[in-house]
Formats: sequence, C-alpha cells, structure tokens
Amino acid sequence: DVKVTQSSRYLVKRTGEKVFLECVQDMDHENMFWYRQDPGLGLRLIYFSYDVKMKEKGDIPEGYSVSREKKERFSLILESASTNQTSMYLCASSLPDTDTQYFGPGTRLTVL
Amino acid sequence: KQEVTQIPAALSVPEGENLVLNCSFTDSAIYNLQWFRQDPGKGLTSLLLIQSSQREQTSGRLNASLDKSSGRSTLYIAASQPGDSATYLCAVNGPGANSKLTFGKGITLSVRP
Repeated sequence: DVKVTQSSRYLVKRTGEKVFLECVQDMDHENMFWYRQDPGLGLRLIYFSYDVKMKEKGDIPEGYSVSREKKERFSLILESASTNQTSMYLCASSLPDTDTQYFGPGTRLTVL
Repeated sequence: KQEVTQIPAALSVPEGENLVLNCSFTDSAIYNLQWFRQDPGKGLTSLLLIQSSQREQTSGRLNASLDKSSGRSTLYIAASQPGDSATYLCAVNGPGANSKLTFGKGITLSVRP
C-alpha cells in the first residue's frame, strides 16, 4: 500500500515565522505535489515536482517555496507566514504521467 | 483553462437510496478522470480512475462513467449507507499529459439512517 505521510496534523505559527511542512512517500514515486484546500475554493495546486531537485509552479505559488533533495521527500516552505496562509495543506505523490495521486492526511496550519 | 464543476454542493439522502453525483469539465481533451472521497479533516482517498479511452469503472457499490465529448462524469452509489457520508471530489488530468489534476469543489453527501 502506498503511504504518504506529513510531518504534522496540526500546526500553529505566528505571522512572520518561517514554516516547514514535510511530506514523505514510500513508493518511489517520481511526482510529488503540494495543494492547499480552503472552504469554497477547493483544492489548489501550489507547487509540484517531477524528479529530485526539480520543481514547477502550480496555480498559486506566491508566498511559498519548495525543496526536493531526495526522491521520497518534498518540503513546502513558507518563508514568512501570513494569516492568509491559514489553510489545510495536502501532499500527494504519483507515478509519471497519468497515474492516480495518493494523498497524505493533511496538515491544518493556523497562522496567528 | 480547465474548469471542473460539481453541483449541488451538498446532498442529503435516506439510507438505502441509489444516488448519482455529477461532475462536468470544460475541456474534453483529458487523459483521465478520478473520483476521490474525503472524510472531514482528512486527506483524499482515490475511489475510481477512468482513462480517457474508457466509458466506466466499477468498484463494489460504486460505478463511475465518463462521457468525454459532453464533458461529463457521474458517480453512481448503490444502496447508500451512513458510512458513505463524506465529500466526493471529481478531478481531471489534462489537457496535456502533465499529471496535474484540476479539482471540482466537491459534493458533501449525508446519508441519513
């Protein structure tokens, strides 16, 4: 069974803090994704990666960066957290092309 | 730009009812379509994936159909149970084989005992 884990289920941070969200998958998937999910807006793609050290912007990359130093790990970084980044963050992974995406349990981030 | 619509946003049915959840998309040049389930506060679980060359997929009490030309998909749930209560999201891959998914906003289903 594919397993995607996220470092925290709940996180509370202060405005201006640097925040790291970690995602690890155990199925040797090339593709990894970061989404945020907000009521009324659905899931929106922040960044994705097709391979190690490779990244591409999604639909809403502003205020975020990512790091993929190892194939199994994809990190989302909020350089200076703001209250409008309070959200549910979901990580996913998949094989190349058109395979299904497997999601982690999500991290609910609150920025005060 | 691909857009995915799911209407209504919420649905409440009595236990045992057969039901259909609808999904529409604007660009028919898709590679596949997936239906996901999300329980409150949790991640997404893939239910069914239909490739663009397929018309339907079945898993247990679930059946998903795809009509690419009309830009529509349906998820049929037979003999609904309270445990089916969740949000159901439709997502399309494409146009372009880039693995990116475009999601609908989901339908929140409540099955009353």
